[in-house]
Amino acid sequence: TQLLEQSPQFLSIQEGENLTVYCNSSSVFSSLQWYRQEPGEGPVLLVTVVTGGEVKKLKRLTFQFGDARKDSSLHITAAQPGDTGLYLCAGAGGGTSYGKLTFGQGTILTVHP
Amino acid sequence: DAGVTQSPTHLIKTRGQHVTLRCSPISGHKSVSWYQQVLGQGPQFIFQYYEKEERGRGNFPDRFSARQFPNYSSELNVNALLLGDSALYLCASRPTGTATSYEQYFGPGTRLTVT
Repeated sequence: TQLLEQSPQFLSIQEGENLTVYCNSSSVFSSLQWYRQEPGEGPVLLVTVVTGGEVKKLKRLTFQFGDARKDSSLHITAAQPGDTGLYLCAGAGGGTSYGKLTFGQGTILTVHP
Repeated sequence: DAGVTQSPTHLIKTRGQHVTLRCSPISGHKSVSWYQQVLGQGPQFIFQYYEKEERGRGNFPDRFSARQFPNYSSELNVNALLLGDSALYLCASRPTGTATSYEQYFGPGTRLTVT
């Protein structure tokens, strides 16, 4: 059974601060995706990382996939109140397992003005 | 382009009843997956369907079943509802046969409350 440990579970920071969310597993994933979810809505895909060691940037968000493809991190620079939400990491296996995502528990981020 | 759509948005059922949830994937997506998200947790995988065949099943009891239709839409059925089935049920579709076949796109979900 593949498991993803996401930390921290809660993060409450002031506007302008930086933060990092971690996602760790003992299993290898063919890809790892980060989602953001608002209350009562479905998760929205932010980015997918596929190659070990890969780094992707999306404005103030930086995503990294570990060399062994077992872990990932999301770093937000100069957080803004609009970044508030639930952040989820999700790993996918290969081939026919593409359609099965294993999710972490999520990180609830609150950015105070 | 329209995203993944789900119906109904909200549903209230009584213990022991059954429920059918519906999902329409993004146009051109042939694979649909279902997830259950209990409040405060990440989504849990229930089923994956591709070309109308079940291609994966999560750790859920036989009370949960699903099917996919020729137009790639899908239904999730839950029988003999329990209080613990109260959750947000999410449907996701993904492209197949492309370089991004691993990317799943989620619908808004159906909020099921069992009383």
